[in-house]
Amino acid sequence: TQLLEQSPQFLSIQEGENLTVYCNSSSVFSSLQWYRQEPGEGPVLLVTVVTGGEVKKLKRLTFQFGDARKDSSLHITAAQPGDTGLYLCAGGGRGTGNQFYFGTGTSLTVIP
Amino acid sequence: KAGVTQTPRYLIKTRGQQVTLSCSPISGHRSVSWYQQTPGQGLQFLFEYFSETQRNKGNFPGRFSGRQFSNSRSEMNVSTLELGDSALYLCASSLVRGTGPPLAGAFFGQGTRLTVV
Repeated sequence: TQLLEQSPQFLSIQEGENLTVYCNSSSVFSSLQWYRQEPGEGPVLLVTVVTGGEVKKLKRLTFQFGDARKDSSLHITAAQPGDTGLYLCAGGGRGTGNQFYFGTGTSLTVIP
Repeated sequence: KAGVTQTPRYLIKTRGQQVTLSCSPISGHRSVSWYQQTPGQGLQFLFEYFSETQRNKGNFPGRFSGRQFSNSRSEMNVSTLELGDSALYLCASSLVRGTGPPLAGAFFGQGTRLTVV
């Protein structure tokens, strides 16, 4: 059973379009991270959000943490082919230790 | 600052054998976690070590074990390999202050691709 559900599972868009990926859970997390993973490589940390309602911007990427700290969204403006990859959300701080619960993943393809 | 290093990158083993994977965390990171990634199950948590102690363990059989050394380097071992153990094994290190919950993310290595034939 996945604690974090992501939608959509697959996304194929044209270069220049905007998109939003959602990460939802019924559990509360102390922090939430977003990662991007390319084939054959480990996930790369994009951002960590810790405060309910927090919004962080990283160039064309905007991350939001829900007020109740149960959900998050990732919005990409004017997508580029270099944005192609598997996007993963992960929740931390549920219980003790440094265990992260990963979402189901969103595979994004940006077509030139 | 050097990233997380995992060795080897690729491994092919025969069913029934055992395997040991190695992970060197980012300098100063005392928490090391291991994950298994497969197309069907996604990223599944195996276990986490902090200061040479296993703090958390995921829902995997006892064939999966690990340890951490005083320099924070970690190894994981899988005994009596099964075909279903074929996966990308990822190690992640985190900067954790004390024993509180993580407020920062994890930094992953490139992984070890294990194929069991």
